[in-house]
Amino acid sequence: DVKVTQSSRYLVKRTGEKVFLECVQDMDHENMFWYRQDPGLGLRLIYFSYDVKMKEKGDIPEGYSVSREKKERFSLILESASTNQTSMYLCASSSNRQALYGYTFGSGTRLTVV
Amino acid sequence: RKEVEQDPGPFNVPEGATVAFNCTYSNSASQSFFWYRQDCRKEPKLLMSVYSSGNEDGRFTAQLNRASQYISLLIRDSKLSDSATYLCVVKNSGNTPLVFGKGTRLSVIA
Repeated sequence: DVKVTQSSRYLVKRTGEKVFLECVQDMDHENMFWYRQDPGLGLRLIYFSYDVKMKEKGDIPEGYSVSREKKERFSLILESASTNQTSMYLCASSSNRQALYGYTFGSGTRLTVV
Repeated sequence: RKEVEQDPGPFNVPEGATVAFNCTYSNSASQSFFWYRQDCRKEPKLLMSVYSSGNEDGRFTAQLNRASQYISLLIRDSKLSDSATYLCVVKNSGNTPLVFGKGTRLSVIA
C-alpha cells in the first residue's frame, strides 16, 4: 500500500512564525500535492509538483511556498503564519503510471495559528 | 460556474435504504472520474473510479453520462458505516491536477 506520511497530526503556531509542514511518500510517485480543507470550502489546491525541484501554483498559493529537493518529500512552508491559515492541510501523491488510481492522501495536519 | 458541483446534503437515510448522489462537471474535455469517501476528521480515500460503461463494487454503483456531464453514485442497502462525506472528483485533459467537488454528506441512521 502507498503510504503518505505527514510529520505532524496537530500543530499550534503563533502569528508571524515560519511553519514547515512535511510530507513523505514511499512509493516512488512522481506527483505530489498540497491542499487545505476548510468547512464549506472543500479541498483547495495550494501547490503541486510533478518532479523534483519543480513546483506549480495551485488555486490559492498566496502566503505559501514549497520545496521538493527529493522525489519522496514535498514540504509546505508558511512564510509568516497568519490566523486565516488555520486549517486542515492535506498532502497527496500520485503516479503517472497508475493515473486511474487517483491520489493517495496523508492523514492531514490540523494547524492552528494563534 | 464551479467545475464540479455536488449537492452538499446532508442526506439522512435509514439503514437499508438506497441513496443516490449526483455530480455535474463543467469541462467537456474531462477524462477521468472518481468517487472519494472522507470520514469525519480523516483524509479522503478513493472509493472507486468511474468508467464510461458504469461500474459496480458490491453495494456501490457508479455511472457516467458524458453527454450530460453528469456522474452518479448509488449506494444500496445502506449501512451505518457508510456515513461519511462523498467527494466527486474529475481529471481534465493533460497533466493537470484532479478537481474535487465539495462533497455530499451522508448520515445513515439506525
